[in-house]
Amino acid sequence: GAGVSQSPSNKVTEKGKDVELRCDPISGHTALYWYRQSLGQGLEFLIYFQGNSAPDKSGLPSDRFSAERTGGSVSTLTIQRTQQEDSAVYLCASSLRAGGPNEKLFFGSGTQLSVL
Amino acid sequence: AQSVSQHNHHVILSEAASLELGCNYSYGGTVNLFWYVQYPGQHLQLLLKYFSGDPLVKGIKGFEAEFIKSKFSFNLRKPSVQWSDTAEYFCAVARYGGSQGNLIFGKGTKLSVKP
Repeated sequence: GAGVSQSPSNKVTEKGKDVELRCDPISGHTALYWYRQSLGQGLEFLIYFQGNSAPDKSGLPSDRFSAERTGGSVSTLTIQRTQQEDSAVYLCASSLRAGGPNEKLFFGSGTQLSVL
Repeated sequence: AQSVSQHNHHVILSEAASLELGCNYSYGGTVNLFWYVQYPGQHLQLLLKYFSGDPLVKGIKGFEAEFIKSKFSFNLRKPSVQWSDTAEYFCAVARYGGSQGNLIFGKGTKLSVKP
C-alpha cells in the first residue's frame, strides 16, 4: 500500500482480555517498529524487526507483550491479560532497512487501545 | 539509561513570533538526533535530523536545530511561526550506528499558534 496501515484504529477491551493489533508496513520495507504512546508520555520503543534477524525486544514492558512478523511483512502485536495501564496509542513504523543516515521511518496512524 | 527531556509541555505563540523548543538528552556516547512533528490528524513525520558534520541542521518548512555537544542539547528553532505550524513536536535520540527506529523520544511539546 501507499503507507503504513494499522488496524483496528480503535480498540476497547475489558481488563484481562487478550488483544491483537495489526500493522501492514509499506511494501518492500524490511524494518518494522512498534511504539507505544501513553497519555502525557513520549513515544516508547517496544520492539523492532529487521528482515530475518532476531527481533530487538528490549522495549517490551512485560512478558504479556509479544510481537511477530510473518513472511517479513505483516506484524501483529499481542497483549495478553490486558491491564488498564496498557491503555495507549500503539504506533507502527517501517523503513526500507534499519540503520544508517539515510534510513527514513514512515509511521502509521496508530491503534488507540482502551482497557476498561 | 538514555533519556530525552523536552522543557515545555505546551507553547502558545502568535503568528510571526519566533520559536525555540528545548531538548536535552543524556547519553555518554555518540548519538544521532531527530525532531519529529505530528500535525493534527496526521501521521508522525520527520522534521529534521543530525548525524554528523555541521551542527546547525535545516529541515522542512523553515525549521532548524542546533546540536551543542557540550550542552547535550538539540533545540528546535523557527524565526517566524505560522498558524500551520500548530502541531506536537517530539525530540528523539538514537545511539550512533543503531537503527533510527530504536529511538528514545521526549514527551513532546504541543505548539499552538494563534492566527
